[in-house]
Amino acid sequence: DVKVTQSSRYLVKRTGEKVFLECVQDMDHENMFWYRQDPGLGLRLIYFSYDVKMKEKGDIPEGYSVSREKKERFSLILESASTNQTSMYLCASSFLSFNRGNNQPQHFGDGTRLSIL
Amino acid sequence: KQEVTQIPAALSVPEGENLVLNCSFTDSAIYNLQWFRQDPGKGLTSLLLIQSSQREQTSGRLNASLDKSSGRSTLYIAASQPGDSATYLCAVGFTQAGTALIFGKGTTLSVSS
Repeated sequence: DVKVTQSSRYLVKRTGEKVFLECVQDMDHENMFWYRQDPGLGLRLIYFSYDVKMKEKGDIPEGYSVSREKKERFSLILESASTNQTSMYLCASSFLSFNRGNNQPQHFGDGTRLSIL
Repeated sequence: KQEVTQIPAALSVPEGENLVLNCSFTDSAIYNLQWFRQDPGKGLTSLLLIQSSQREQTSGRLNASLDKSSGRSTLYIAASQPGDSATYLCAVGFTQAGTALIFGKGTTLSVSS
């Protein structure tokens, strides 16, 4: 079974702090994703990566950055946390469909509920 | 811009009923459609993925269909059980690399015993 592990289930930080959210997958997936989920807004893509050291902006990248130094690990960084970044953050991974000949499903971690005070 | 809509937003049924969840999308140029389940406070669990060339996929009591031309997908759940209570999300994939999904806001299902 695919395992996507997010380092924290719950996290409380203060405004202005630099916050790191970590995600690790064990299936050798090329693609990794960071989403945030908010009531009434659904899931929105923040950033994704299709290879080590590669990153692409999603729909809402402002205020965030990412790092992918190893294939299995994808980090989301809140440079200076603000209260409007309080949310549920979800990491996902998948195979790159070009390499598999068919579209591949995304597999999700359990999420990190982040509160910024 | 691609938009994904799920109706109804919430549904309550007694145990044993067969039910249909609906998903519609505005742009028919999609590569796949994926159905997920989300339990409260948890991440998403992939249920079914339908390639754009397919009409349906089945897994156990679940059957998902896809009609690209009309921009619709349905998730059919047979003989519903209380353990099926969750939020069901559909997501449309619109890149061949599989790198981007657009999600609907979900249908929250409650099955009473």
